[in-house]
Amino acid sequence: AQTVTQSQPEMSVQEAETVTLSCTYDTSESNYYLFWYKQPPSRQMILVIRQEAYKQQNATENRFSVNFQKAAKSFSLKISDSQLGDTAMYFCAFMKRSPNYGGATNKLIFGTGTLLAVQP
Amino acid sequence: EAGVTQFPSHSVIEKGQTVTLRCDPISGHDNLYWYRRVMGKEIKFLLHFVKESKQDESGMPNNRFLAERTGGTYSTLKVQPAELEDSGVYFCASSQLWEAGNTEAFFGQGTRLTVV
Repeated sequence: AQTVTQSQPEMSVQEAETVTLSCTYDTSESNYYLFWYKQPPSRQMILVIRQEAYKQQNATENRFSVNFQKAAKSFSLKISDSQLGDTAMYFCAFMKRSPNYGGATNKLIFGTGTLLAVQP
Repeated sequence: EAGVTQFPSHSVIEKGQTVTLRCDPISGHDNLYWYRRVMGKEIKFLLHFVKESKQDESGMPNNRFLAERTGGTYSTLKVQPAELEDSGVYFCASSQLWEAGNTEAFFGQGTRLTVV
């Protein structure tokens, strides 16, 4: 079974600074996706960034980037130039890669989350 | 385009009562998922619909939980009778079928259920 571990329950960062959220996972699968989701205080969870395991290049989305270390099963999220709007709960998630038509569920396996507070 | 919507946003019920949560997915999304987060813990998968069919209900805690998806559109999750340990935030998510490789699931705001 797959597991996702986020060892930092809470973190704090000053506005405009850089912060890194850690995530490790355990799986025997070779094809999978990794995600970071963000849940602001308004509670709707949104996708921040996605990484396909077969791609060696780390994904980036504007100020958000990941450090994907497949051998170490590590998937950290770096937020550059932190903004007040980045204050949220961040969830790391794993999904086995398989098509719908194969009868697969493609469910997400989540970590426990990291609450990030950006201070002015 | 409307996102995933969930009703109600918050429900407080007494132990032993029945509660029904509703999820309206994004139009055209055949995949519909229910997840639950108990306070301080990880978000856990409950079940998955493809259109109106249950693809995977391995995460359902017990037979007090019943999920339906009428005509492959909206879905309901009923808890009957509710127990204290059912308290948590229930999330619904929807996505397109994945032949095209689109993996993004869109989440609703969640229903916070408190059983007292």
